[in-house]
Amino acid sequence: GDSVTQMEGPVTLSEEAFLTINCTYTATGYPSLFWYVQYPGEGLQLLLKATKADDKGSNKGFEATYRKETTSFHLEKGSVQVSDSAVYFCALSAKGSARQLTFGSGTQLTVLP
Amino acid sequence: DTGVSQNPRHKITKRGQNVTFRCDPISEHNRLYWYRQTLGQGPEFLTYFQNEAQLEKSRLLSDRFSAERPKGSFSTLEIQRTEQGDSAMYLCASSLGGVTSGGKLFFGSGTQLSVL
Repeated sequence: GDSVTQMEGPVTLSEEAFLTINCTYTATGYPSLFWYVQYPGEGLQLLLKATKADDKGSNKGFEATYRKETTSFHLEKGSVQVSDSAVYFCALSAKGSARQLTFGSGTQLTVLP
Repeated sequence: DTGVSQNPRHKITKRGQNVTFRCDPISEHNRLYWYRQTLGQGPEFLTYFQNEAQLEKSRLLSDRFSAERPKGSFSTLEIQRTEQGDSAMYLCASSLGGVTSGGKLFFGSGTQLSVL
């Protein structure tokens, strides 16, 4: 079945450091890929998405590129801020199963001032 | 856009009791989803409604779970004869349109269930 594997956390960085959170997936066909973020006490929010190979999703300084060859969708940000502290979830929606998302286990990010 | 609202925020119950959660989606959204999230894990899909029709249910949704969405507005998720393994955060989400056709899921803050 479909699955998403994220790098294990927690991740702790200093402000302005470079961030990478790895995400790989297993799915039949070519799924749509997403990154969701959950800030403390809030619901999950869509951060960015990519719907086909080589697409780059970007938002709030975060980027992720859909790599079909490596079945990956790694999240990156060049300079993190304290306000980026949150849990980040990689997710996919397989073609033909557009009704649901399959999530990874999440990566807790803490950014220290 | 007032967001997706879930009630209650927290529910503590004894094993064997029945519980019911409510979700009020964003008003114009025709699709509604229930997910379950346990500590340290990502959300797992439970069920999906398009308007009032329940179109898909996960194998995770045992016979003790039932969900409804009368008139295609709010939804309820009921768990009968709760078990300790039911302890989790229950998330509701809504969208206008499907995920892969550009629809964006909006999540509520969830209902945290603790079964003692």
